[in-house]
Amino acid sequence: DAGVTQSPTHLIKTRGQQVTLRCSPKSGHDTVSWYQQALGQGPQFIFQYYEEEERQRGNFPDRFSGHQYPNYSSELNVNALLLGDSALYLCASSYGTGDYSPLHFGNGTRLTVT
Amino acid sequence: EDKVVQSPLSLVVHEGDTVTLNCSYEVTNFRSLLWYKQEKKAPTFLFMLTSSGIEKKSGRLSSILDKKELFSILNITATQTGDSAVYLCAVITMNRDDKIIFGKGTRLHILP
Repeated sequence: DAGVTQSPTHLIKTRGQQVTLRCSPKSGHDTVSWYQQALGQGPQFIFQYYEEEERQRGNFPDRFSGHQYPNYSSELNVNALLLGDSALYLCASSYGTGDYSPLHFGNGTRLTVT
Repeated sequence: EDKVVQSPLSLVVHEGDTVTLNCSYEVTNFRSLLWYKQEKKAPTFLFMLTSSGIEKKSGRLSSILDKKELFSILNITATQTGDSAVYLCAVITMNRDDKIIFGKGTRLHILP
């Protein structure tokens, strides 16, 4: 039973570039959430996708966008990268958006912006 | 503004010691509180607490929630070096758009 998988594991970009991160949810899960975790901080909620639509969004600018595919996999896109976007980006999956089921996290993508 | 505060931010103890990690919260429309363990990358789920006073237990780990005083504790007894990790507390709110708010975590280091 595959858990949450994310790719790539590491990424180095320069300011102003664009990046796409990918996530496949745990088998049986249909909801994907994205989090940004800066060094020494807890994860910060970016947005959540369910039924191929963005259902909730945290306090992140429009430079952060996403997509969910019919197979429930998801992408996180960040445009016009800033140095402050350097962080661990975690994808988490769960089942449904009603009664809460614990999030299952992937190992994350470490993004470094230079 | 909703917030989750964990203390201490870091803790170093010797193997065999018992530790207590704290999580206090101020949120509107509290729903549940969760504890996660983050060793290298992916946080792994430990407990979800919804009701006050009911202890959740898994091996040497246990946790309890106090909804009146707005806090939770995570206890680890007979600590082992494998318990070294960042322990994250998160609160789910029942607002129109359910939000999950994480604390900054407690970095626990167990000395052999």
